[in-house]
Amino acid sequence: QSALTQPASVSGSPGQSITISCIGTSSDVGGYNYVSWYQQHPGKAPKLMIYDVIERPSGASNRFSGSKSGNTASLTISGLQAEDEADYYCSSYTGGSTVYVFGTGTKVTVL
Amino acid sequence: QVQLQQWGAGLLKPSETLSLTCTVYGGAFSAYYCSWIRQPPGKGLEWIGEVSHSGGTNYNPSLRSRVSVSVDTSKTQFSLKVNSVTAADTALYYCACFGWLRGPGSFDYWGPGTLVTVSS
Repeated sequence: QSALTQPASVSGSPGQSITISCIGTSSDVGGYNYVSWYQQHPGKAPKLMIYDVIERPSGASNRFSGSKSGNTASLTISGLQAEDEADYYCSSYTGGSTVYVFGTGTKVTVL
Repeated sequence: QVQLQQWGAGLLKPSETLSLTCTVYGGAFSAYYCSWIRQPPGKGLEWIGEVSHSGGTNYNPSLRSRVSVSVDTSKTQFSLKVNSVTAADTALYYCACFGWLRGPGSFDYWGPGTLVTVSS
């Protein structure tokens, strides 16, 4: 099972919106509505921002939203803030022997 | 509030066995599915394996031959063992759990991570 494909970096100015893509296959992203997104600041453990493609856990800002079309999931950050500068990872349930697969990671820079 | 606390040896020699334990505080342990996830320095996340409160396990096929995950419900703990480690196993190891009300893989509880370095 290969890692999901994410852009290495995405940047935006404060207040702007950015979108991070997560490309998988019909065996993972496209096959199940179990895509999660994590935010990781340097030296910290990942934090769940989106689960089940579109759901937001309590504690996650409502500026974060998720979506999916076919084999591609997306995370949108609206009203970009300095505190959003971090690494972001998607993950998907696969239903196979590699039960969960993570994305390659995207570094978000706030200009 | 659910908290995960993890511990284990941080420096190993090649061919030794990596051993880590994670204790889950708060919540209902029987409601959680817990995994071990690692992150090599400067790289991305890799799922290693998972265990349910009943002891059922799943492993990443790339590591299956060397990995074992177990659970002790009486102590609300789960553990990881990786045999015959090499430098390629050097990474920050996280324990992480999600509740049964969430979809699979939505890890909302994470331990702080344990840096394991393999060096002769």
